[in-house]
This record gives sequence, structure tokens and C-alpha cells, in this order.
Amino acid sequence: KQEVTQIPAALSVPEGENLVLNCSFTDSAIYNLQWFRQDPGKGLTSLLLIQSSQREQTSGRLNASLDKSSGRSTLYIAASQPGDSATYLCAVQGPRNQFYFGTGTSLTVIP
Amino acid sequence: GAGVSQSPRYKVAKRGQDVALRCDPISGHVSLFWYQQALGQGPEFLTYFQNEAQLDKSGLPSDRFFAERPEGSVSTLKIQRTQQEDSAVYLCASSLPGGLAGEFNEQFFGPGTRLTVL
Repeated sequence: KQEVTQIPAALSVPEGENLVLNCSFTDSAIYNLQWFRQDPGKGLTSLLLIQSSQREQTSGRLNASLDKSSGRSTLYIAASQPGDSATYLCAVQGPRNQFYFGTGTSLTVIP
Repeated sequence: GAGVSQSPRYKVAKRGQDVALRCDPISGHVSLFWYQQALGQGPEFLTYFQNEAQLDKSGLPSDRFFAERPEGSVSTLKIQRTQQEDSAVYLCASSLPGGLAGEFNEQFFGPGTRLTVL
């Protein structure tokens, strides 16, 4: 079974810092990888989707990269803001219809 | 346009009661997923529909869990004879097919239903 790990589990940074969140998966046979943020008591908000033919996606201050062969993805957040505080989750789609999620990285940006 | 909606947002049930959770996907999204999220964990896949067809139900934890999507739009997740271990947030997501066969496009999630079984 695909296992998805996110490191670190929690991260606290001062406002303005650039930061990197990591996601690793055990089975490289994936279709795509999606990054989400989840605010307390809320559902998941899609941030970036890296499809099978892509290696990178960018949206505003966010950049996500995917290396299938090494089973890793990183989410880079530039110039962090207090509003970025949330839990960040990555999910991979395997060859079947299932999606596998990591347990998330809880980010706190201190003003 | 409207996003994915779920109702109720909160449900408290006594052990042994049956519950029904509703999901309204984004209009035109043929794919619909249900997930279970325990506190402090990532969502766990339960089941997947393409239109009205339930193509994968391998994540349903027991035969007390049943999902349907009779007209290919609204879906209902039913849990019979609820147990305390069923307490969790139940998330619904919808998406369009991706560019390659078998690949999905971006998933959009609803706010979830928090189920508490006493």
C-alpha cells in the first residue's frame, strides 16, 4: 500500500521567511500529486496539482515540484504571511482510483 | 460558481443509530469521492463514483457503511448502527477527469460533516 509521509509535522517561522514543506511517497507509480491547505474545522482547499506529465507548478508565492523517481515532492512558500498559517497536506493518486494523503505539516507564521 | 456542499455540518448520534450524510458536488463533475478524516490525520479514502456508478468501495471500513449516487449528482453516505469508532469528519470531493486515462483532475472538497457518536 502507498504510504505518504510529510516532514516536518509542525513548523513555526517568523513572517517574511521562505520555507519548504516535504512530502515523500513509497510507490513511484503515481498519476499526479496535489497539495492542499486545511484550516481548523474546515475542508481542504486545493493549492496546486502536478499532473503526470509535469514536474512543477506555480501559483503566486507557492511553487511545488515533483520527482517521481525519488518519491518526493516539495512545496515552497515565499515570503510567508500570518494568513499562511494552516495545515498543509499532500495527496498522491495511484494507478487505481484511490488517493493517499499524508498526515500534514502544521505551519504557524508568527507576525 | 458554487463549490462542493455537505450537510449536515455537524451530527451527533447515539451508538446504534443510523445516519445519512449528504454531498452536493460541483455541477458537471462526474467523479465523486468520500473520505474519512480522524483527528490529527490525513483523509482516508472510502469510496469513488463515476457518475452514478460506484467504481471503488474498497475503503469502506465495514458493511455498515453504504454510499449511493443514484442520479449521478448528489451522493449520500449512510452509516448503519453507528459505533464510537465511526466518530470522524467525513469529507466529500468532486473532480473532472484528467488528460490521461485513469488520471483525475484537481479535487475540490466540501467543508465536511463532523460525526460524533456517543
